[in-house]
Amino acid sequence: QSALTQPPSASGSPGQSVTISCTGTSSDVGAYNYVSWYQQHPDKAPKLMIYEVTKRPSGVPDRFSGSKSGNTASLTVSGLQAEDEADYYCCSHAGSNNFVVFGGGTKLTVL
Amino acid sequence: EVQLVESGGGLVQPGGSLRLSCAASGFSFSNHWMSWVRQAPGKGLEWVATIKSDGSEKSYVDSVKGRFTISRDNAQNSLYLQMNSLRAEDTALYFCARGRVNNDYWGQGTLVTVSS
Repeated sequence: QSALTQPPSASGSPGQSVTISCTGTSSDVGAYNYVSWYQQHPDKAPKLMIYEVTKRPSGVPDRFSGSKSGNTASLTVSGLQAEDEADYYCCSHAGSNNFVVFGGGTKLTVL
Repeated sequence: EVQLVESGGGLVQPGGSLRLSCAASGFSFSNHWMSWVRQAPGKGLEWVATIKSDGSEKSYVDSVKGRFTISRDNAQNSLYLQMNSLRAEDTALYFCARGRVNNDYWGQGTLVTVSS
């Protein structure tokens, strides 16, 4: 049950695109299409932004997209806006017994 | 409107116990997996436990196995987390969330502080 690996920080200017990576193993990210991404603003509950690698819940802007290649999942935020500044966490199903593992989080700064 | 409201947090001494509750409303509670996720002060999210919709399957992060028990009462639309043998490292904001990996709704959390 090791945490997924995310870069601690990422940044971009308004209007630009930024991609956040999430690296796991062949037992979690690489094994299942059950990767989700959460956005968390300070002192707020997390918000689901992407689920099952690429799907967006209703109400999430299409500026947010997800993908996966091998053991690494990615979240891309296009057309950065000031309100996108937040912490982002990836999450994956991690094998039998319904284990779940989160990434360490990435602080996204809009310059 | 989906609502998840946690309660039961507080200050407890090391070795003590607490029972967290999560009151669910606005959806068919008995049809959904439910989870507890925690966040230590200034730290990231950590999955704690998950329970199947009918309570027949439960899973836990290794660090709480044997000490925490997740349960639910579908008649009362409530989720619980019994926490025993609490340690300083269990200090965190505990969130109740709907779902297993795709947690589409979250409560605001209840703070558990383990300290002497």
